[in-house]
Amino acid sequence: SYELTQPPSVSVSPGQTASITCSGDKLEYGYISWYQQKPGQSPVLIIYQDDKRPSGIPERFSGSNSGNTATLTISGTQAMDEADYYCQAWDTTTLFGGGTKLTVL
Amino acid sequence: QVQLVQSGAEVKKPGSSVKVSCKASGDTFSSSILSWVRQAPGQGLEWMGRIVPLFDTPKYAQKFQGRVTITADESTSTVYIDLSSLTSEDTAIYYCAREHRAYSYAYYFWGQGTLVTVSS
Repeated sequence: SYELTQPPSVSVSPGQTASITCSGDKLEYGYISWYQQKPGQSPVLIIYQDDKRPSGIPERFSGSNSGNTATLTISGTQAMDEADYYCQAWDTTTLFGGGTKLTVL
Repeated sequence: QVQLVQSGAEVKKPGSSVKVSCKASGDTFSSSILSWVRQAPGQGLEWMGRIVPLFDTPKYAQKFQGRVTITADESTSTVYIDLSSLTSEDTAIYYCAREHRAYSYAYYFWGQGTLVTVSS
């Protein structure tokens, strides 16, 4: 079955750039969305259609999708960005990646 | 603005069923795509299924086929998920989510989550 693979964890220093990848065989055939989830909260959409930000999402969040890998990039990472991040795609159903815990050290 | 308000926490015995509701406010309920996503303790997001009330033909993740039923009541703008034959592995927070068409049908609207605990 189709799967989306994310690294379990990524660490970054404040002010630096964090990159979180999402890999899957069929990424080139559809759009990727990214969600941020903080403890005890519902997920929040931060990137849709591979590289677009919903209203209100800071510019430091960006996305890309090339071939079989999509990437979420957080530039100038802040302590408030520490959270779990999930990629999401559509096949015949909806798929989520396993999630990546971003730690801001 | 769309809001999704879910029913309260549930505690269930193994082998029983649970039904969680999600009431939507705002417009276009009938033509919206309403999904259920669950999250086991310390685990990731897991899509369970979706329904478009206007068409009333749900689609389920293969993992839950035969054990899950998603329905919608247009008169109350409420969507339901019914999960049967519960085991401890079904202990999770269950979220309803709705797409936003301006955002390429990504899940922009989320309910607050409903904790379902399965324990003897």
